[in-house]
Amino acid sequence: AQSVTQLGSHVSVSEGALVLLRCNYSSSVPPYLFWYVQYPNQGLQLLLKYTTGATLVKGINGFEAEFKKSETSFHLTKPSAHMSDAAEYFCAVSEGSGGFKTIFGAGTRLFVKA
Amino acid sequence: ETGVTQTPRHLVMGMTNKKSLKCEQHLGHNAMYWYKQSAKKPLELMFVYSLEERVENNSVPSRFSPECPNSSHLFLHLHTLQPEDSALYLCASRSSGGTDTQYFGPGTRLTVL
Repeated sequence: AQSVTQLGSHVSVSEGALVLLRCNYSSSVPPYLFWYVQYPNQGLQLLLKYTTGATLVKGINGFEAEFKKSETSFHLTKPSAHMSDAAEYFCAVSEGSGGFKTIFGAGTRLFVKA
Repeated sequence: ETGVTQTPRHLVMGMTNKKSLKCEQHLGHNAMYWYKQSAKKPLELMFVYSLEERVENNSVPSRFSPECPNSSHLFLHLHTLQPEDSALYLCASRSSGGTDTQYFGPGTRLTVL
């Protein structure tokens, strides 16, 4: 069975500071890993994904994440936060073997202070 | 229009009403999903359709009834709902192959009085 744990339901950073959102996963097969972002009154939008290959994945809006198998982690980072980054972020895992189920974390709300 | 669209965007209904939510995808995908997003709870998968067949049904109460007439359209029929069913209902689609990336609509905000 797969699971996702996002550490911290709320994270607050100052504008220009490093953003670090933590995600740990559990999977019995090589996972596909995702970060989605949700802005108010909108659906989820894909930020980035890891399937195979390079473990450092770059996404949209300057975000990146690193797949660390030994730590079962897929933390999301951005060097310099912008006010427009304020949103809710979801980490997700799927089996990547043709199954249909993706397991989502509970979400982390990012606040950016001016 | 491109992507995944959902109508209506907002819906207020009484417990005795019958209403339907509609989702349409213009991405050529062949799998579609309904999720329920409630405050302070993880995203809950309700139903999955692949090639118009239901492949996942996560113990959803019978007052929610999905319908997938073709690979581009997905409906969620609602009847005799409860106030705890108030939530954001999200539709998503993806290709059966590929990298499991799901594309979400903007959601329908449902309030049950």
